[in-house]
Amino acid sequence: DGGITQSPKYLFRKEGQNVTLSCEQNLNHDAMYWYRQDPGQGLRLIYYSQIVNDFQKGDIAEGYSVSREKKESFPLTVTSAQKNPTAFYLCASSMGTGGSYSNQPQHFGDGTRLSIL
Amino acid sequence: KQEVTQIPAALSVPEGENLVLNCSFTDSAIYNLQWFRQDPGKGLTSLLLIQSSQREQTSGRLNASLDKSSGRSTLYIAASQPGDSATYLCAGNAGNNRKLIWGLGTSLAVNP
Repeated sequence: DGGITQSPKYLFRKEGQNVTLSCEQNLNHDAMYWYRQDPGQGLRLIYYSQIVNDFQKGDIAEGYSVSREKKESFPLTVTSAQKNPTAFYLCASSMGTGGSYSNQPQHFGDGTRLSIL
Repeated sequence: KQEVTQIPAALSVPEGENLVLNCSFTDSAIYNLQWFRQDPGKGLTSLLLIQSSQREQTSGRLNASLDKSSGRSTLYIAASQPGDSATYLCAGNAGNNRKLIWGLGTSLAVNP
């Protein structure tokens, strides 16, 4: 079955540590996204990528980094510069590139819950 | 700045009721609108996407409408079932890069 796989499901970060969240999709989608979900707030976009080897900052990119070396993969690194990393992180993908990507529904993984030790 | 509001924040209904969830946005220059479902501790499932040129979309017991002039979208759920219990989120595409702008969701409980 096609879908988006996020791992791990739960992740704990020690102070000063960088951690990487994995996101893999086998839907052959061009565009991929990372969101952060906090209680009482709408989903906020961290980074998005419309094509391999290219990505753009979203609304809250500070303290995060991404790479898009393969179409299927869009890992997110939460760096030590992110002072409040505790949240539910969601990865999504959609078909289409350029201006057309917004015409397609976004498909989501099951999320990674990150907490601070 | 585009904002999306969902009312009510929470809703509890008996099984079998027809119900309407509301989503409003401040800027009528919305490109399209999507409805999603989120179960506790899970990711989001896309339910319906209404493109700019459309007024409504239907899937099974779900019907979503979009009225850009009034800045509103509604999600109609017919003959609700306990399995419909979840949080329903709406999100609109707006702006030059057409990023999704998200509402906070409506938490729905359908009681047997």
